[in-house]
Amino acid sequence: NAGVTQTPKFRVLKTGQSMTLLCAQDMNHEYMYWYRQDPGMGLRLIHYSVGEGTTAKGEVPDGYNVSRLKKQNFLLGLESAAPSQTSVYFCASSYPRALNTEAFFGQGTRLTVV
Amino acid sequence: AQKVTQAQTEISVVEKEDVTLDCVYETRDTTYYLFWYKQPPSGELVFLIRRNSFDEQNEISGRYSWNFQKSTSSFNFTITASQVVDSAVYFCALSEAVTGNQFYFGTGTSLTVIP
Repeated sequence: NAGVTQTPKFRVLKTGQSMTLLCAQDMNHEYMYWYRQDPGMGLRLIHYSVGEGTTAKGEVPDGYNVSRLKKQNFLLGLESAAPSQTSVYFCASSYPRALNTEAFFGQGTRLTVV
Repeated sequence: AQKVTQAQTEISVVEKEDVTLDCVYETRDTTYYLFWYKQPPSGELVFLIRRNSFDEQNEISGRYSWNFQKSTSSFNFTITASQVVDSAVYFCALSEAVTGNQFYFGTGTSLTVIP
């Protein structure tokens, strides 16, 4: 039982390049999230998904796209990376609210855009 | 508006001292959940505790204790007899029934325990 796994762990991109971050969870969670963590700003929600085939915008969605084609996977895409997207990205998953559960986090992806 | 406020950006204590991390939240919902997470220097986020809005009982787990007060919209976290291993960034978070699925995080408090 791996929990939430993020790929890759580190990445350096040049401005304008694209990439996809992969998040996989094996807990059969309905909800999945992508957060970014920046110094002094805590974790801010980029996009989230309440189930396979559905996604929604969070607090800071600009410059990112997501897809949830399979229940266990949640992909975060950067179409044209910018230095402002240098951050640590965390994926998380959880059960529906009725089960009063916490969010389970991946190990994080450190992305640097130069 | 910030839904979760952690006013203490950085705290330093000497080992074995007690320390309290403050968390103030804002919500108009009557059903909500509060959480604390720990982020050690290695970077992962470790879940510590959750509380729902109907359960105001304080909780103690070893050297950790949590004080939930709806009257002041606070969910404070106390570490008793702090240890160097407690050095980390601590995040408080809120999840509301009305906004469904989102977890709102505070900006975190960086705790340094000096040996």
